[in-house]
Amino acid sequence: AQSVTQPDIHITVSEGASLELRCNYSYGATPYLFWYVQSPGQGLQLLLKYFSGDTLVQGIKGFEAEFKRSQSSFNLRKPSVHWSDAAEYFCAVTGPTYKYIFGTGTRLKVLA
Amino acid sequence: NAGVMQNPRHLVRRRGQEARLRCSPMKGHSHVYWYRQLPEEGLKFMVYLQKENIIDESGMPKERFSAEFPKEGPSILRIQQVVRGDSAAYFCASSPDSGRDQPQHFGDGTRLSIL
Repeated sequence: AQSVTQPDIHITVSEGASLELRCNYSYGATPYLFWYVQSPGQGLQLLLKYFSGDTLVQGIKGFEAEFKRSQSSFNLRKPSVHWSDAAEYFCAVTGPTYKYIFGTGTRLKVLA
Repeated sequence: NAGVMQNPRHLVRRRGQEARLRCSPMKGHSHVYWYRQLPEEGLKFMVYLQKENIIDESGMPKERFSAEFPKEGPSILRIQQVVRGDSAAYFCASSPDSGRDQPQHFGDGTRLSIL
């Protein structure tokens, strides 16, 4: 069965610093991978997705993620964090069907 | 607003009452998914519907929960005889079809509180 692990529950970075949020997945074949962001009281907004091809994918708001099959990882990165990036970030995987399997999320705090 | 619309945003019910959550998918989307987010947890799949059909309800509790997506009108998630453990955020998502490569677009959710 598919699963997603986000090992960091909370991360705090200073504004302007770089960011990496970790995501590890479990799936026997090629997964479809997504990162979503959730601001307080809001729904989920799609940041980026990976289906195939180039393993480095660019998303909105300056985010990127790299798919590493050998490590079963799909980490999210941003070179310089802005205060408005403070939110909760969810990694998700789909296997052979439409069902999203979400990680438990990483809550990002940005220090001024 | 052409996005997924959910209402109400917040719903308060007393134990034993019924809760009805509504979801209007994005224009042109005929596939609807419901997810539940418990406090401090990720979203968990509940049910997948197409117009007038329940395709997959494997994530729905066997009792008290039901969902529909009629030919006309929004999708409805119905919880009968609510209990404290039903307190959660319920999210609806939609997509134009069910392919794995179709990102699901999420609404802002309904926060259900049970007194």
